Amino acid sequence: QKEVEQDPGPLSVPEGAIVSLNCTYSNSAFQYFMWYRQYSRKGPELLMYTYSSGNKEDGRFTAQVDKSSKYISLFIRDSQPSDSATYLCASYGQNFVFGPGTRLSVLP
Amino acid sequence: KAGVTQTPRYLIKTRGQQVTLSCSPISGHRSVSWYQQTPGQGLQFLFEYFSETQRNKGNFPGRFSGRQFSNSRSEMNVSTLELGDSALYLCASSLAGGIGELFFGEGSRLTVL
Repeated sequence: QKEVEQDPGPLSVPEGAIVSLNCTYSNSAFQYFMWYRQYSRKGPELLMYTYSSGNKEDGRFTAQVDKSSKYISLFIRDSQPSDSATYLCASYGQNFVFGPGTRLSVLP
Repeated sequence: KAGVTQTPRYLIKTRGQQVTLSCSPISGHRSVSWYQQTPGQGLQFLFEYFSETQRNKGNFPGRFSGRQFSNSRSEMNVSTLELGDSALYLCASSLAGGIGELFFGEGSRLTVL
C-alpha cells in the first residue's frame, strides 16, 4: 500500500464548477500536508500547505485535512481553464511523500 | 531570482548505458532533492543532499547515485540503464531542506531504448 493514495483521474469539469480533489494517507505520524500544482511540461509548484487537522483557505482554494480519517482534500471554487493541471497531494514524514496526482481539465 | 535549472532537458539512452543529470538550485538554497516521476508511480523520492552530504535516501537500487558540490549544485547518476528508468527526473531545491517549501525545476526527461 502506498503511503499517499490519490485518484489519478482525469477529471473534467465545466468552467465555474466547484472541484473536489481528494487523497488518503496511511502514516499516522504525518503532520504536514501539501498540495502541489503541476502544469504540463513544468515542475510542480506549492499551492497550499496545512499543518495537522483543519481547513486553510487561500482565494478560491481551500485545503482540508481530517486526521481521524486520514483524508486530505482540496476544493477549488469558481474553477477556471487556467486551473487545468495535475494536482499532487503530499505529506512529510522523513521525506516528502507524494500522491500520483489527479489530472484536472476545466473546460471553457 | 533565477529558478531551479536542470540540464539536459531531454535525452535518449540505450540499455546498459549510464547517464548524469545536473541541477543548479536557487541561489542561497542549500538543500537539493531528486525525484523520479512516472505515469504509473507518480513522484518518488530518490535522495536529498544538504551541504554536500546525503541526508536521506529513497527506496531505489544502488544504480542511482548523486552528489552535491560546495556551490550546492547537484548531479545524479544512473548506471546500467534499464527500460524502466525512462521517466521525468525532477530536482527540487529548498532553503534548508526538511519540511521547507520545495522549488522544482522543469525536469530532465530520460528515454531508455
